[in-house]
Amino acid sequence: GDSVTQMEGPVTLSEEAFLTINCTYTATGYPSLFWYVQYPGEGLQLLLKATKADDKGSNKGFEATYRKETTSFHLEKGSVQVSDSAVYFCALSPRNSGGSNYKLTFGKGTLLTVNP
Amino acid sequence: DSGVTQTPKHLITATGQRVTLRCSPRSGDLSVYWYQQSLDQGLQFLIQYYNGEERAKGNILERFSAQQFPDLHSELNLSSLELGDSALYFCASSVAGRTGTDTQYFGPGTRLTVL
Repeated sequence: GDSVTQMEGPVTLSEEAFLTINCTYTATGYPSLFWYVQYPGEGLQLLLKATKADDKGSNKGFEATYRKETTSFHLEKGSVQVSDSAVYFCALSPRNSGGSNYKLTFGKGTLLTVNP
Repeated sequence: DSGVTQTPKHLITATGQRVTLRCSPRSGDLSVYWYQQSLDQGLQFLIQYYNGEERAKGNILERFSAQQFPDLHSELNLSSLELGDSALYFCASSVAGRTGTDTQYFGPGTRLTVL
């Protein structure tokens, strides 16, 4: 079945440091890929997505590129801020033609703490 | 604000009891998904409804059931509760068109504590 593997956390960085959170996936076909973020005490927010190979999703300074050849979707940010402290989840959903099942399969999440 | 609402925000109950969690999807979204987030299992897909019909099932226990009503809101019913059912329960909604890709938007969650 489908699966997502994220780098184990926690990750602790200083403000303005470079961030990379690795994510690799296993899926049949060509899934859509997502990064969701969960701030303390809150629900999940969509951060960015990519729907086909070589697509780059970006939002709020975060970027991730859909790499089919390495089945990866690593999250990067050039300069993190204290307000980026949160749990980040990589996820995939199958591409579906004819049905309507888009269930998300999540990685275990990576806790990021950014210190001033 | 995602546009997805969930009630209640917190629920504390005892083992053996039954509870109902409610979700209202974003306006125009036909699909509703339920997920459970626990420390040991992480985020797991439970069940999906599309326009009133069950579309997919994940790791949902037989003690749990769900439905989607004609106005598209959904309820997740949890019965014979056990300590291990304590978790955050998220609802998500999407347009879920018949082809292509889709994006799910999550509600704030219901935190269930079973004592």
